[in-house]
Amino acid sequence: EPEVTQTPSHQVTQMGQEVILRCVPISNHLYFYWYRQILGQKVEFLVSFYNNEISEKSEIFDDQFSVERPDGSNFTLKIRSTKLEDSAMYFCASRGLAATDTQYFGPGTRLTVL
Amino acid sequence: AQSVTQLGSHVSVSEGALVLLRCNYSSSVPPYLFWYVQYPNQGLQLLLKYTTGATLVKGINGFEAEFKKSETSFHLTKPSAHMSDAAEYFCAVTPWSNAGNMLTFGGGTRLMVKP
Repeated sequence: EPEVTQTPSHQVTQMGQEVILRCVPISNHLYFYWYRQILGQKVEFLVSFYNNEISEKSEIFDDQFSVERPDGSNFTLKIRSTKLEDSAMYFCASRGLAATDTQYFGPGTRLTVL
Repeated sequence: AQSVTQLGSHVSVSEGALVLLRCNYSSSVPPYLFWYVQYPNQGLQLLLKYTTGATLVKGINGFEAEFKKSETSFHLTKPSAHMSDAAEYFCAVTPWSNAGNMLTFGGGTRLMVKP
């Protein structure tokens, strides 16, 4: 069964450093998402991406964040200058074209900012 | 805007007992509703979803949920709990009219199953 994959599984970085989280969505999917879950809190939507552009973003997704689909398979989330409060589990998800299609989630990347 | 409330951050049941995990939502437009499960150190896996049609939906692992519009609820049930059901369960909603379909999640309910 096809699945969403994410790398790395755990990333430790120093405050102020740039990080790139990588995702490989399911191959025939067209919508891509990033969510995050701070420890003990809700899963929160960050951004959705369709047709090579951001379709929707939350208030969390400020200028420090960017997304890119650099080739036909990868979908990346970049945080330019990490803060302590960026420490969280980051989930990538993808779905097909129909609004009723399921969003399939990857296993997540745990980001720890020291 | 949507919101999701899951009553009970922790639920404990005995093996073989009924599982009932509560979810209430608030949405300005008709929603699509989802239950996801998260096992330790894993991602979110879809249990079931309601989009249109029959309001009682059946999912994987014997779970089902009923969409009750009048009560704005989408509670998750399973007649008989199994030890392997121990996990965290998330209810989520998205407005049907939004093509991007961002999911709004509840706070999650951790299900513990006692032998």
